[in-house]
Amino acid sequence: KAGVTQTPRYLIKTRGQQVTLSCSPISGHRSVSWYQQTPGQGLQFLFEYFSETQRNKGNFPGRFSGRQFSNSRSEMNVSTLELGDSALYLCASSLIGSAGYEQYFGPGTRLTVT
Amino acid sequence: AQSVTQLGSHVSVSEGALVLLRCNYSSSVPPYLFWYVQYPNQGLQLLLKYTTGATLVKGINGFEAEFKKSETSFHLTKPSAHMSDAAEYFCAVSENQAGTALIFGKGTTLSVSS
Repeated sequence: KAGVTQTPRYLIKTRGQQVTLSCSPISGHRSVSWYQQTPGQGLQFLFEYFSETQRNKGNFPGRFSGRQFSNSRSEMNVSTLELGDSALYLCASSLIGSAGYEQYFGPGTRLTVT
Repeated sequence: AQSVTQLGSHVSVSEGALVLLRCNYSSSVPPYLFWYVQYPNQGLQLLLKYTTGATLVKGINGFEAEFKKSETSFHLTKPSAHMSDAAEYFCAVSENQAGTALIFGKGTTLSVSS
């Protein structure tokens, strides 16, 4: 079974621009979560989507948004990019309802804001 | 609010020595606890998890952890370190029933010398 895939893997944007990152979960997984990883703040939870609805949200400004499609694929968008948004963005999917409670992580998208 | 503290940002051991990575958490409800490992330029891989039941949890690659409610700890151990164990390790907590919306510790980098 294919793992979580994220596209693109690397991205360079300019301050003020917006960016969209994509995540395809493992087949059958209906929950998709997004995390930001930076050297200073570590791993921080952004939001979780389940069945196209945002179910949990972390403490990030409104510039960070996401959505989930009917096939469970998810996108996250960051508007008006700031230098501090440079980070590795990780997507994770899980099979809600199983006994596993496991989140499977993708390799991440490395975003650099210049 | 939930939080996770990992004592020691960097731990160095010799090959064959005991590995002990410390994790303390705070949670207002019975938590779900996880240890993840991250190799350079990769996503996170689940090592082990505690949800309910037996407090000593065995994971992959010979790792185990013990949930101690009275000490609010979930330390990770491995009896004998291998060179391949060198990586960054993250402890995480979730308070929701699905085990999502993880709150991570700052991480501990494990170095293994021959």
